[in-house]
Amino acid sequence: GAGVSQSPSNKVTEKGKDVELRCDPISGHTALYWYRQSLGQGLEFLIYFQGNSAPDKSGLPSDRFSAERTGGSVSTLTIQRTQQEDSAVYLCASSPTVNSYNEQFFGPGTRLTVL
Amino acid sequence: RKEVEQDPGPFNVPEGATVAFNCTYSNSASQSFFWYRQDCRKEPKLLMSVYSSGNEDGRFTAQLNRASQYISLLIRDSKLSDSATYLCVVKAPLRDNQGGKLIFGQGTELSVKP
Repeated sequence: GAGVSQSPSNKVTEKGKDVELRCDPISGHTALYWYRQSLGQGLEFLIYFQGNSAPDKSGLPSDRFSAERTGGSVSTLTIQRTQQEDSAVYLCASSPTVNSYNEQFFGPGTRLTVL
Repeated sequence: RKEVEQDPGPFNVPEGATVAFNCTYSNSASQSFFWYRQDCRKEPKLLMSVYSSGNEDGRFTAQLNRASQYISLLIRDSKLSDSATYLCVVKAPLRDNQGGKLIFGQGTELSVKP
């Protein structure tokens, strides 16, 4: 079946612009996670959705970052007034539930470059 | 202190060598542990889960020591195709609405040479 998909695969933007990144999880997966991978920083958690609600937003680095999920499926991560330090690969993952032993399946990521 | 710490890399080994990766984690309440593999400019993919009793999958063996909060991965008879970055991953406990987020180590790069 289809895996997690993300769009766009690459995004180049100018400092100060807003960007939207999209994630389509595996069908039927209720848990959805956003992570960020920066050079030299490793992979870090941003936000998690259970259905349409986001119980844990603790990883969002600033109030310029927000995310929503509609219909328990597609999620959008929005970065307002982008800064150069926002340049990273943004990865989305989904899981059937939040059960401890469920694997999280990752999408291919969106590579964001802020000039 | 980082929540998940791994051996610094890179590891450069010849084909056929045995290589071991080590990892420690700080949260004693953690319940689930994994090794992920990440190829250059690709997404991480699950290599194997790590169980308390230790587990093996072909050439790969994972061990967990809860008392020492230590995880290891052993690769025997390494192949060229094993070249990748290996990520030690701990899942946050399911409490305080954390929802089982993954906490990643920095990763150890492995390069297997002919």
